[in-house]
Amino acid sequence: VIWMTQSPSLLSASTGDRVTISCRMSQGISSYLAWYQQKPGKAPELLIYAASTLQSGVPSRFSGSGSGTDFTLTISCLQSEDFATYYCQQYYSFPRTFGQGTKVEIK
Amino acid sequence: EVQLVESGGGLVQPGGSLRLSCAASGFTVSSNYMSWVRQAPGKGLEWVSVIYSGGSTYYADSVKGRFTISRDNSKNTLYLQMNSLRAEDTAVYYCARDRGKYQLPFDYWGQGTLVTVSS
Repeated sequence: VIWMTQSPSLLSASTGDRVTISCRMSQGISSYLAWYQQKPGKAPELLIYAASTLQSGVPSRFSGSGSGTDFTLTISCLQSEDFATYYCQQYYSFPRTFGQGTKVEIK
Repeated sequence: EVQLVESGGGLVQPGGSLRLSCAASGFTVSSNYMSWVRQAPGKGLEWVSVIYSGGSTYYADSVKGRFTISRDNSKNTLYLQMNSLRAEDTAVYYCARDRGKYQLPFDYWGQGTLVTVSS
């Protein structure tokens, strides 16, 4: 099993801020990492795959980086619609595993 | 347009059974990997099971031997048969198209169906 450590679990920020979320793997996964956004009562939505590739329709203020064991999601200029919970996920092997989630809330 | 619609959730007593369905449109279930993912109230996401396009199946240790994933190609529908349910199985269950066959992650998710295990 590949374990994932996502941090921070809670991030308080203001509109316009630049925010960064980290995800660390217990073993290398090359670039088989995805980031999802989830809003209350809704299903997760794919933001980024292959560590840094933006899913179609996702705003360019979202970006991802990293490979191997350390990955980062950055939102360059936080918008009101970005306040949500974010999850990383490895799809290198089964069982698929997710990070614990990062809730981005309004400061 | 790709769409996934889950159904079958509800309240069930501990030890009981439930079958979830996930009706797909806009793509062929049998040509893709399909996964179930669950989310306990207020908690994170937990992968539950996958069925490969070839029919092989895999399960999380937490549900192995109790849950069975399957599909009906004629109905383009995915299923999750859940037996011997426990309180800790209470969650919203999502089906998702798993693009692992193409070295990609879950790209489409259903809206989820709530399963509550309680006496």
